[in-house]
Amino acid sequence: DAGVTQSPTHLIKTRGQQVTLRCSPKSGHDTVSWYQQALGQGPQFIFQYYEEEERQRGNFPDRFSGHQFPNYSSELNVNALLLGDSALYLCASSLTGGRNKNIQYFGAGTRLSVL
Amino acid sequence: RKEVEQDPGPFNVPEGATVAFNCTYSNSASQSFFWYRQDCRKEPKLLMSVYSSGNEDGRFTAQLNRASQYISLLIRDSKLSDSATYLCVVTPNNNDMRFGAGTRLTVKP
Repeated sequence: DAGVTQSPTHLIKTRGQQVTLRCSPKSGHDTVSWYQQALGQGPQFIFQYYEEEERQRGNFPDRFSGHQFPNYSSELNVNALLLGDSALYLCASSLTGGRNKNIQYFGAGTRLSVL
Repeated sequence: RKEVEQDPGPFNVPEGATVAFNCTYSNSASQSFFWYRQDCRKEPKLLMSVYSSGNEDGRFTAQLNRASQYISLLIRDSKLSDSATYLCVVTPNNNDMRFGAGTRLTVKP
């Protein structure tokens, strides 16, 4: 049973560039959430996708956008990268309406460095 | 005030010790509560859910006090393998999770 998988594992970009991160949810899950974790901090909620739509959004600028595909996988796009976007980006999946609907399972993350 | 606040530690304890972590949250309408564990440079992993009635899983006990908006985690008989950062998590609705900054624990021989 595959868990949450993310790609790539590491990425180096320069300021102003754009980046796309990918996530495949745990088998049987239909909901994907994205988080940003800066060094020494807890993960910060970016947004959540369900039924191919953004269902909830945290306090992140419009430079952060996403998409969910019919197979429930998801992408996170960040435009006009800033140095402060350097962080670990975590994807988490869950099952909406399931018995444990609030429990999210995390992928290993993509470590983004912006130079 | 942060939505979820934790004592950052670090907590340095000897093997076999009992250690307790506390967490407070600001949104009284929060619905679900969890403790996650995160090892260095790894993803967070669910340790346990937290219920008002309290719950226990082996050496770990979690408590929730909704009136005080307070969550706790107690680890008994600490093992070296318990060394990690413990994240307090609150869900203000059914969708997103709000994390504390984490409490770092080091268990020493």
